[in-house]
Amino acid sequence: RKEVEQDPGPFNVPEGATVAFNCTYSNSASQSFFWYRQDCRKEPKLLMSVYSSGNEDGRFTAQLNRASQYISLLIRDSKLSDSATYLCVVNPGYSTLTFGKGTMLLVSP
Amino acid sequence: GAGVSQSPSNKVTEKGKDVELRCDPISGHTALYWYRQSLGQGLEFLIYFQGNSAPDKSGLPSDRFSAERTGGSVSTLTIQRTQQEDSAVYLCASSPDRYYTFGSGTRLTVV
Repeated sequence: RKEVEQDPGPFNVPEGATVAFNCTYSNSASQSFFWYRQDCRKEPKLLMSVYSSGNEDGRFTAQLNRASQYISLLIRDSKLSDSATYLCVVNPGYSTLTFGKGTMLLVSP
Repeated sequence: GAGVSQSPSNKVTEKGKDVELRCDPISGHTALYWYRQSLGQGLEFLIYFQGNSAPDKSGLPSDRFSAERTGGSVSTLTIQRTQQEDSAVYLCASSPDRYYTFGSGTRLTVV
């Protein structure tokens, strides 16, 4: 089983839609979790951390289910500018982060 | 500078040549990481430096790859005798804690 698994997509949604991405991780000892965003031919940038209690940042909501080793990202009221690849990122308990291959989102007018 | 700086931004080299990629981290960030990203693939960890500790080299794919970090700041990733499969974007990140800030990467093409 891969360390961090994501559906590669692409997810094609119209502006204003709500879209959700999921991610699973294999190491139950993982300590911290993040979503990064990567625009085409650009470097990844931190979108948000993910906490067991769930956290929200504007239109973005992240959830963590430790029992199921599952992380989600919900985007409400999608904007054209949300088009990007969303990377699920896990700290498996040592110093480096493990990145999923990403889920591509395409928001159309 | 305000961000992580990498140079060159693009490098085309002939198979068999050596290349050096440079990363200048954010001032004060003790941790520095090298990753690579091949076309359509995820980020692959290469090497990690933390302060003056011995680096974690567990991700280096072969002995053709090496990296150093001088004075706890600038890092150089060296690839010897480049092969076509080395073609990728090499990303450097620095961190004061858990949060990475990436540079814009070096796009390496081996022809």
